[in-house]
Amino acid sequence: GAVVSQHPSRVICKSGTSVKIECRSLDFQATTMFWYRQFPKQSLMLMATSNEGSKATYEQGVEKDKFLINHASLTLSTLTVTSAHPEDSSFYICSARVLIDSYEQFFGPGTRLTVL
Amino acid sequence: GEDVEQSLFLSVREGDSSVINCTYTDSSSTYLYWYKQEPGAGLQLLTYIFSNMDMKQDQRLTVLLNKKDKHLSLRIADTQTGDSAIYFCAETTNAGNMLTFGGGTRLMVKP
Repeated sequence: GAVVSQHPSRVICKSGTSVKIECRSLDFQATTMFWYRQFPKQSLMLMATSNEGSKATYEQGVEKDKFLINHASLTLSTLTVTSAHPEDSSFYICSARVLIDSYEQFFGPGTRLTVL
Repeated sequence: GEDVEQSLFLSVREGDSSVINCTYTDSSSTYLYWYKQEPGAGLQLLTYIFSNMDMKQDQRLTVLLNKKDKHLSLRIADTQTGDSAIYFCAETTNAGNMLTFGGGTRLMVKP
């Protein structure tokens, strides 16, 4: 199956700094990438949908100025957590879809962010 | 909005069958999925079913869909300790579009 990677897998940062997380589709071109957030022992919550070459669509309650998403190419989307705070500590997972009408989303391994 | 619910926890003995249940509210769901998440890892797609199907079998996995009751189940035959994980069901109304996840069921397999 298709492979999606994320980098870094784990990051610890100080409060107030910005952190960039990369999501790459390794062996396919992803027209759409999704960013999810997972709190400990909870389910995944969709944060935003990112289509290559256009602005991301954010879910209600997600601050677009805080969680900057860039989908500059068909194989790379980035999520930047700006001015991170301890409450932003979470597990961030991206997924990628190959075609508009594809029924499969391929998930990355996730990035654990800890903000001190 | 859409709502997907699962029981939180299931414990079975190795070799037994596990049945994980899921209910959803959106009658326009077209695709339903089961994902597995091992500790500290991302999600692995186990199987999926289209809404016009009642059942799908894939090796040890059997998915049953009762569209009338909006009930989805995942049966794992001959459950192994390696099956211990959190299992999420998810649904979408558009092919490959945003997924709505259930809360996850933690499966514990005892030797």
